[in-house]
Amino acid sequence: ETGVTQTPRHLVMGMTNKKSLKCEQHLGHNAMYWYKQSAKKPLELMFVYSLEERVENNSVPSRFSPECPNSSHLFLHLHTLQPEDSALYLCASSQEVVMGQPQHFGDGTRLSIL
Amino acid sequence: DAKTTQPPSMDCAEGRAANLPCNHSTISGNEYVYWYRQIHSQGPQYIIHGLKNNETNEMASLIITEDRKSSTLILPHATLRDTAVYYCIVYQAGTALIFGKGTTLSVSS
Repeated sequence: ETGVTQTPRHLVMGMTNKKSLKCEQHLGHNAMYWYKQSAKKPLELMFVYSLEERVENNSVPSRFSPECPNSSHLFLHLHTLQPEDSALYLCASSQEVVMGQPQHFGDGTRLSIL
Repeated sequence: DAKTTQPPSMDCAEGRAANLPCNHSTISGNEYVYWYRQIHSQGPQYIIHGLKNNETNEMASLIITEDRKSSTLILPHATLRDTAVYYCIVYQAGTALIFGKGTTLSVSS
């Protein structure tokens, strides 16, 4: 139990579907992150939120749309995805967005695009 | 790119200490050394971090050389559940954790 919960754990969708990934943290943290982990590749940072404001967008295609309604919840809205978007999507949180703060990860959503 | 170099794999007998090395020769003075691990089908788990002093917590110990160019993660009594990929990360300026390929630690009975 890491204090960061992601749902669903697995998702299969077609390229024309719209779906959302959800992340919730119970740690009282102010910063939340989305990462992508593709097979055989290192984790890639996608988005960073601090106190519900987006502070970093790592050149992510617009078919991925993040939303942070409050400091405990983070969503990743998906639409018209491509087969290469199949990956493990990980959410993380930390106390603040500063160096020296460990990030705590959820167990991810395994996404498969048909 | 990751600023660390780790051996791709290591083996350890259950109950023995596992010593995982990491080279980070280009580390800057204000960069931390972080260790995470990832067990199959789970998200990365934070283990420990340090700046220049050795650190110990309930999971592991971190030994950082005086010149800070390398470090060692020590799991004092490895168990089968410690089998995982271990990542040594130099936390660069900004917000991104740059994960490399890590070391796959296999603990056997």
